[in-house]
Amino acid sequence: NTKITQSPRYLILGRANKSLECEQHLGHNAMYWYKQSAEKPPELMFLYNLKQLIRNETVPSRFIPECPDSSKLLLHISAVDPEDSAVYFCASSLTDSNERLFFGHGTKLSVL
Amino acid sequence: GQGVEQPDNLMSVEGTFARVNCTYSTSGFNGLSWYQQREGHAPVFLSYVVLDGLKDSGHFSTFLSRSNGYSYLLLTELQIKDSASYLCAVSMPNYNVLYFGSGTKLTVEP
Repeated sequence: NTKITQSPRYLILGRANKSLECEQHLGHNAMYWYKQSAEKPPELMFLYNLKQLIRNETVPSRFIPECPDSSKLLLHISAVDPEDSAVYFCASSLTDSNERLFFGHGTKLSVL
Repeated sequence: GQGVEQPDNLMSVEGTFARVNCTYSTSGFNGLSWYQQREGHAPVFLSYVVLDGLKDSGHFSTFLSRSNGYSYLLLTELQIKDSASYLCAVSMPNYNVLYFGSGTKLTVEP
């Protein structure tokens, strides 16, 4: 799926700061960040609809989302914790009704 | 989350069928989705159902019973490449949240 791209693909961090990037070329209005830990289902972190933060799940404050425009999504991470090791998926949908989500390939974050 | 339950594992044989079950006990319901996720890859959308009954989409069919809080994904004429995890997800009204079940790992044997 090249219509929703994420970078980087893999990330190894100590206690550094880093940003994950996502861009969708589908003309969708809603974009999401999901976290998937090993052997667990995806869990919603943040949802943006038309650039407005609609749903902000209870995630640690070291994760800060940003939506510079309707096709781009960023996730700023500071001072990561070992429990943050997971795959972070960006997803988008036409509206925020969750009828059909398109996922990016994910960023695998490994915390040392 | 929100009481979306699936069996962990399911095995079946190439050329036959497999039924992946999902039960949910959520405080609301807008619709139910099914996603396929291969090892090391992102979830891929398969189906979305809102109304009771069977929705036939060829290789994949989905059934929903809202009164029973139950759905299944039916895969017919199984191929080895159908081996993957299948995730059920319930969409809640007014919360904009999709709650995923833990997924069922389907193994298709020759």
